[in-house]
Amino acid sequence: DAGITQSPRHKVTETGTPVTLRCHQTENHRYMYWYRQDPGHGLRLIHYSYGVKDTDKGEVSDGYSVSRSKTEDFLLTLESATSSQTSVYFCATSPTSRGENEQFFGPGTRLTVL
Amino acid sequence: QKEVEQNSGPLSVPEGAIASLNCTYSDRGSQSFFWYRQYSGKSPELIMFIYSNGDKEDGRFTAQLNKASQYVSLLIRDSQPSDSATYLCAASPNTGNQFYFGTGTSLTVIP
Repeated sequence: DAGITQSPRHKVTETGTPVTLRCHQTENHRYMYWYRQDPGHGLRLIHYSYGVKDTDKGEVSDGYSVSRSKTEDFLLTLESATSSQTSVYFCATSPTSRGENEQFFGPGTRLTVL
Repeated sequence: QKEVEQNSGPLSVPEGAIASLNCTYSDRGSQSFFWYRQYSGKSPELIMFIYSNGDKEDGRFTAQLNKASQYVSLLIRDSQPSDSATYLCAASPNTGNQFYFGTGTSLTVIP
């Protein structure tokens, strides 16, 4: 798992509340990603980072923001959670940008928005 | 839209048989292709990657790539019950390192 941890692992929250998910890696990988996984949709990229303070949007970025102040930490924030954001969230890391390089996944966070 | 499509299954094969998993992709700029295995409730783990046309073998697994047909497959020989999982296909351009995942194929190996 390339030394990737996610916290919390499970969270239940109410609509309209802010939520922050944390991804922490010990591999010194430059690239970090946040995905959500939903039945019938597979893994969809939310945001990614290609270095400290360097981030970009993915395919489903609306309603999410990210920050990366240190190489090892990548935070995903739902400013005002909605029920449509109920999902399993995976963080992934990769050492380089070359296409044949694999992504390593964290254990996931199951988020339920009531 | 850079789509990666997989047959969702479920695919069932008897123990010891060959399981064949297929994937097509729409973006001709895709250069690298990955197969991940995901057990229920767990995170995806890489099985193989391939970026040259042809076959690539690793133990019981063989990945096949045909860029002209935009087709990737994974063969699992001598299937075992422990191979029962969802298999995710992913495509990536040579730069930028963004992956595009299919929705996965559920495989069940029957003892």
